[in-house]
Amino acid sequence: NAGVMQNPRHLVRRRGQEARLRCSPMKGHSHVYWYRQLPEEGLKFMVYLQKENIIDESGMPKERFSAEFPKEGPSILRIQQVVRGDSAAYFCASSPEQGAGNTEAFFGQGTRLTVV
Amino acid sequence: QQQVKQSPQSLIVQKGGISIINCAYENTAFDYFPWYQQFPGKGPALLIAIRPDVSEKKEGRFTISFNKSAKQFSLHIMDSQPGDSATYFCAAASGGSYIPTFGRGTSLIVHP
Repeated sequence: NAGVMQNPRHLVRRRGQEARLRCSPMKGHSHVYWYRQLPEEGLKFMVYLQKENIIDESGMPKERFSAEFPKEGPSILRIQQVVRGDSAAYFCASSPEQGAGNTEAFFGQGTRLTVV
Repeated sequence: QQQVKQSPQSLIVQKGGISIINCAYENTAFDYFPWYQQFPGKGPALLIAIRPDVSEKKEGRFTISFNKSAKQFSLHIMDSQPGDSATYFCAAASGGSYIPTFGRGTSLIVHP
């Protein structure tokens, strides 16, 4: 059973370009969470999605950022018109259900975005 | 406002020593407290977790101590090994939601 797969592992974009980060959850998992990690900081929650639905996007910046989890295919985190401050590691996690506080979510290895 | 405060930011321990990382939280609705271990270039992995109905949980060399009245919890790593060198994050979640709030992390280095 493959773990959470994120790609690409590393992504370099010039300022103003679009970045697309992909996340394939573990088999049987229907819940996906995106986090952002800045150097020497913890993980900041961005968005929680189920298939075809955004459940909680309270951590998403209001502009330039969007996320989707279509019925078929991976979850996508899209960042439009990237700026240097978007440089960070972006992690995806998945779980089989919204846990009763004890359902572990498994993290992918992350995508490290560098904006030059 | 940081809801989960973690200290120290970095920790150096000799092999065989005890590593202690502390966390404090504000939100009394939190009812699930996991610890994550992250190696460089990897995603965080759940290490051990506790609920507030117990004051201590032990798994191998790793122990969580929980003080509900003080709203504090800590991770103890006994007989620390060089392979334990990693970044450790405490977290807290509430209301049946998985979505935890993370501390800023502690970089642990265990010298051989």
